[in-house]
Amino acid sequence: NAGVTQTPKFQVLKTGQSMTLQCAQDMNHEYMSWYRQDPGMGLRLIHYSVGAGITDQGEVPNGYNVSRSTTEDFPLRLLSAAPSQTSVYFCASSYSRTIETQYFGPGTRLLVL
Amino acid sequence: AQKITQTQPGMFVQEKEAVTLDCTYDTSDPSYGLFWYKQPSSGEMIFLIYQGSYDQQNATEGRYSLNFQKARKSANLVISASQLGDSAMYFCAMRDKYGGATNKLIFGTGTLLAVQP
Repeated sequence: NAGVTQTPKFQVLKTGQSMTLQCAQDMNHEYMSWYRQDPGMGLRLIHYSVGAGITDQGEVPNGYNVSRSTTEDFPLRLLSAAPSQTSVYFCASSYSRTIETQYFGPGTRLLVL
Repeated sequence: AQKITQTQPGMFVQEKEAVTLDCTYDTSDPSYGLFWYKQPSSGEMIFLIYQGSYDQQNATEGRYSLNFQKARKSANLVISASQLGDSAMYFCAMRDKYGGATNKLIFGTGTLLAVQP
C-alpha cells in the first residue's frame, strides 16, 4: 500500500490564482480530512469527509472547497489564492470516523505571493 | 471548548536518556482519545501512540509510553533511551466526541526535541 499520497509537494501561486491539491489513499478508508499547519500553531481542520459524496466544514473552511466523488480521492481546491493561505497542507485518513488513528500524507508546501 | 496545551516549546536530552514531553488537555466530553505524533524535519506526520479515555492502563509502543493522568487532564509522552533519530517536533492531539460526526483532531503547538550525542 502507498498509504496517503499528496501532490504536489511544493507549489508557488500568485494571489488570485486557483489550484487543486490532490490527496489519495489506497487503504479503503472512509474518513478523510484536510488540515493546514502554520508556524507556531498545531494543525487545524479545513474540511473533512465521512464517505464518498459526503463532505463538511472544519474550523477554517473559508477559501477552500472539497469534493469526494470516490472513496480514494479527496481533492482540496483553492478558489482564489491569498497570501494568508501560505501554509503546509496535510491530508489524513482513517478507516472510519469512529476508528481512532489517522494516517497523514507527506504534506504540500504552498506559498502564495 | 476543547484545547490541547504543550508548554515546552523546545527541549534538549542526552542520547540514551529518557525524556518526558508534557501535554495537558481540556474537554467536557467524557469520551475522548489522546494521540502523539512525531514530525521530523522532512515534514511528515508520524503516528506514535494512542490513549483512550476509558483505557485502564497507560499505552505503550516500544520506547514510547503515555503517562495518562485523567484527574489532572495530562497525557505526557515518555521516550526511553533517546536516540539521535528522535530529534523532531512532537505534537499532542485529542479527538473528542467519540462516535460523533467527525474524527477531528485538535492539536497542540508542539515541542521541538533535540537529542544530543
